Amino acid sequence: EAGVVQSPRYKIIEKKQPVAFWCNPISGHNTLYWYLQNLGQGPELLIRYENEEAVDDSQLPKDRFSAERLKGVDSTLKIQPAELGDSAVYLCASSPGDGSSYNEQFFGPGTRLTVL
Amino acid sequence: AQSVTQPDIHITVSEGASLELRCNYSYGATPYLFWYVQSPGQGLQLLLKYFSGDTLVQGIKGFEAEFKRSQSSFNLRKPSVHWSDAAEYFCAVGAGGTSYGKLTFGQGTILTVHP
Repeated sequence: EAGVVQSPRYKIIEKKQPVAFWCNPISGHNTLYWYLQNLGQGPELLIRYENEEAVDDSQLPKDRFSAERLKGVDSTLKIQPAELGDSAVYLCASSPGDGSSYNEQFFGPGTRLTVL
Repeated sequence: AQSVTQPDIHITVSEGASLELRCNYSYGATPYLFWYVQSPGQGLQLLLKYFSGDTLVQGIKGFEAEFKRSQSSFNLRKPSVHWSDAAEYFCAVGAGGTSYGKLTFGQGTILTVHP
């Protein structure tokens, strides 16, 4: 069974440029998460989807960040424009079920973003 | 709001020695507690979780953790460490109520294993 797939694995951009990250969750997983992981820190939730609905986006900086999960499968996280402080690893995770229990979250390898 | 503290940023042990990684949480109700491991360049993998019941929880790769409500702790242990256990370990607490499903992670503990 394939795990959570993320691309690209690495991205280097200049500040003020846009950037997008893509995530393909494990087949059949209804819940999808985007996390931000700064160097030396644990992951912090940005947004959680149940199917195509964003059920928790309270931590997403909506002035520059956006996300979508069309058709309730793949998801894209976008930053426009990127700032120096956005340099971090962006992790995607998915879990089965409808979020009614604390199902295990399966994490992808992440996208390491460097903003110059 | 819930929070997690992992007091040790970096721990070094010899292969074959025992291991204990500390985790303290802050949460007003009965917590959902987790330990994840992250190898370099990899995503996080769940080691074990505690929801209720027996306070000693067994996980994968020979790890176990003990929930102590009086100390607000959920320490991870392994009786004999292998070189392949070198990685970063994260403790997390899950919220209930209106924030159900949200995990809050600690800052992590890096484990180095000497041969």
